[in-house]
Amino acid sequence: DTEVTQTPKHLVMGMTNKKSLKCEQHMGHRAMYWYKQKAKKPPELMFVYSYEKLSINESVPSRFSPECPNSSLLNLHLHALQPEDSALYLCASSQRGGVQPQHFGDGTRLSIL
Amino acid sequence: DQQVKQNSPSLSVQEGRISILNCDYTNSMFDYFLWYKKYPAEGPTFLISISSIKDKNEDGRFTVFLNKSAKHLSLHIVPSQPGDSAVYFCAASGLPYKYIFGTGTRLKVLA
Repeated sequence: DTEVTQTPKHLVMGMTNKKSLKCEQHMGHRAMYWYKQKAKKPPELMFVYSYEKLSINESVPSRFSPECPNSSLLNLHLHALQPEDSALYLCASSQRGGVQPQHFGDGTRLSIL
Repeated sequence: DQQVKQNSPSLSVQEGRISILNCDYTNSMFDYFLWYKKYPAEGPTFLISISSIKDKNEDGRFTVFLNKSAKHLSLHIVPSQPGDSAVYFCAASGLPYKYIFGTGTRLKVLA
């Protein structure tokens, strides 16, 4: 059982849709992360929140909009995505930043039509 | 430019034998290294880590070795079990919050 819960597990959307991915953890972790993973590639960091503040944005296009409403929740709002955005989106958390192991959710498999 | 490389995309090992997974990195600023295991349809699971001030860290059947001069780390699994069959990623960090992952090695442990 994963301690980081991601919903939905699968999402199919058109290029004009607006949808959101949700991530939740109740381990008291204060750093949360979004990664994107394409097939046969390593996870690539997108965003990092530390103590509910955006710490890192890896030059991600503005059609991806992260939000951290509280220390347990992390959202990724999606709008006007492109077919190349189809990928597995992984959420992770760690006790704090720096050299801490991350706990990953099982991901949301996103397909853009 | 891949800063963390796992040059073996796959590895097959007989049950009970040692599995050795390798990882090379190019950035000398990396000072913390981790190994993750990933089963299909699941997120990566943290296995073991090592700081650059050490050259070895052990946890049960898993041992990670770090050779800083060669910019190389390896994960040893002894004895290997069929349940260890998964994709293994190494990751490296040199800045707070930023982890760079390798491309992964698919391990198959044969019963």
